[in-house]
Amino acid sequence: AAGVIQSPRHLIKEKRETATLKCYPIPRHDTVYWYQQGPGQDPQFLISFYEKMQSDKGSIPDRFSAQQFSDYHSELNMSSLELGDSALYFCASSDQLPGTDYGYTFGSGTRLTVV
Amino acid sequence: AQTVTQSQPEMSVQEAETVTLSCTYDTSENNYYLFWYKQPPSRQMILVIRQEAYKQQNATENRFSVNFQKAAKSFSLKISDSQLGDTAMYFCAFMKHADTPLVFGKGTRLSVIA
Repeated sequence: AAGVIQSPRHLIKEKRETATLKCYPIPRHDTVYWYQQGPGQDPQFLISFYEKMQSDKGSIPDRFSAQQFSDYHSELNMSSLELGDSALYFCASSDQLPGTDYGYTFGSGTRLTVV
Repeated sequence: AQTVTQSQPEMSVQEAETVTLSCTYDTSENNYYLFWYKQPPSRQMILVIRQEAYKQQNATENRFSVNFQKAAKSFSLKISDSQLGDTAMYFCAFMKHADTPLVFGKGTRLSVIA
């Protein structure tokens, strides 16, 4: 079965650089979520999109932005990177249609290291 | 705001034994969803089991079952016949509605010992 695809798997950037993370949800899933998981931490919600519109916003820094495109893939753009941005970034998708088994399917994550 | 508390940062269990991981949550909602996710060393987040609050019957998935106590706002995970592959971080998570973000607990690191 198709899963949530994230790219790249690993990314190393220097401070003050920009990074773009991509997420391809499961086909026909209409909602995408982004989470940040620091070392030894639980995942923290950043932002979500439903039908290409922002649906919820969590603890996303102003330096970060995201969007969902017409093909439902999503991109998380991170600028002026700081050492504290080093984390595992998860994308998840879900299908909100009635009758579905509620719950997300997570991608494998992008490990961002800022040096 | 909803909060999820996992009071056991680390646990260990002998292979083939049974272990229970605790989770409590705080919400004013009447209908919601609860989940247990497993995160092995590969860091992949894997759904273990889910429970809808309106369902009184406890969810089960093979060796995994939950004890859902709605009045007590408790949602514990029982793993029977523990296997070495169960070694992972386990996160309890709450979802208010189907299209809202997950709120995670801090996690319980489970080690299965041969």
